[in-house]
Amino acid sequence: DAGVIQSPRHEVTEMGQEVTLRCKPISGHDYLFWYRQTMMRGLELLIYFNNNVPIDDSGMPEDRFSAKMPNASFSTLKIQPSEPRDSAVYFCASRVQGGGTEAFFGQGTRLTVV
Amino acid sequence: RKEVEQDPGPFNVPEGATVAFNCTYSNSASQSFFWYRQDCRKEPKLLMSVYSSGNEDGRFTAQLNRASQYISLLIRDSKLSDSATYLCVVKGGSQGNLIFGKGTKLSVKP
Repeated sequence: DAGVIQSPRHEVTEMGQEVTLRCKPISGHDYLFWYRQTMMRGLELLIYFNNNVPIDDSGMPEDRFSAKMPNASFSTLKIQPSEPRDSAVYFCASRVQGGGTEAFFGQGTRLTVV
Repeated sequence: RKEVEQDPGPFNVPEGATVAFNCTYSNSASQSFFWYRQDCRKEPKLLMSVYSSGNEDGRFTAQLNRASQYISLLIRDSKLSDSATYLCVVKGGSQGNLIFGKGTKLSVKP
């Protein structure tokens, strides 16, 4: 398996533009997580899905952020409109059901909003 | 109180040293615990799970103290290649989510 695949790897956009980040989890994994990482705040959980259903989106910073998982092999995180403070590395991770199972991370999308 | 707290470091140690990291968590219902490692500009990767009885993997030993809600990681005989950020991770109660600490940075010097 190729692992968790995220695209794009890097994104530079202007303030006010819409940004869409994409993730393909590992086949057969039941959970999908979106995290944001900054120096100040570390890794923050934004939202996670179980069997394509959003379970907890309490970490989504505000209404400008939305996430979807239309099927088991694809998820998107959208920011509209983007702001400079959204600049961060966004990671997608997936794992199988079970308490002690490992989460596998994609390589991340480095977002810069200017 | 943050859900998972770690000393951010950095820990600067010479090769061959023994170093210990600690982590505390706030949710007493947490059921699973892990240490992840993150290299600079890379994604986090699982280093080891943490079991109630404690567990060892080569030079790495993890301990869990449920009563004190505290997790530790001990690295013996540090190598240059151990330089990274070590993330304490807790799976909350009946929830499926994984909560990460902010990480402890380790730098091993020759």
